[in-house]
Amino acid sequence: GENVEQHPSTLSVQEGDSAVIKCTYSDSASNYFPWYKQELGKRPQLIIDIRSNVGEKKDQRIAVTLNKTAKHFSLHITETQPEDSAVYFCAASGNQFYFGTGTSLTVIP
Amino acid sequence: GAVVSQHPSWVICKSGTSVKIECRSLDFQATTMFWYRQFPKQSLMLMATSNEGSKATYEQGVEKDKFLINHASLTLSTLTVTSAHPEDSSFYICSASGASGNPRYEQYFGPGTRLTVT
Repeated sequence: GENVEQHPSTLSVQEGDSAVIKCTYSDSASNYFPWYKQELGKRPQLIIDIRSNVGEKKDQRIAVTLNKTAKHFSLHITETQPEDSAVYFCAASGNQFYFGTGTSLTVIP
Repeated sequence: GAVVSQHPSWVICKSGTSVKIECRSLDFQATTMFWYRQFPKQSLMLMATSNEGSKATYEQGVEKDKFLINHASLTLSTLTVTSAHPEDSSFYICSASGASGNPRYEQYFGPGTRLTVT
């Protein structure tokens, strides 16, 4: 089955700096890669996603890149703000839907 | 669009009793619904996947007789925790897919149910 690894598990950045979270997957059949943001005690919210026919996608301060050959994809948050502090999960979907282990991001004002 | 509700949001029950959690897709037909369990500061652990009208597929290590899942319609799935014990205390989250017409994409999550077993 699929194995999604996510790094780092915790990340602290100064407000205004960039944050990068990386995920790798093992199943070559995976073709959809969403990222979710989960604030404490709340539901995961889809923030951006990318499909396998695209290498990069951007939405304001958030971008995702995908390298299908290397089987890894990354989330980039620029100009971070304190409200970006949350746990971020990557996921890979093909025949199954698997989540990464999560990254706790703290943006220090 | 793509709103998923979950009820109840928080439940406290005594050990040995059963608890039912409902998951509803409010504005789309969910061809597939997923049930997750989440411990504090940990990732979502997939418990089972259910398709409307068919039996749920459980992940390895999840007791199907303890966690009963029913997906009776395209907008409703239920999870019943039978004979609950304190170790079943957790945050249970459902999600639904199918809003885009493809169940492999775009899972939308319910707000979660916090279960406390005393």
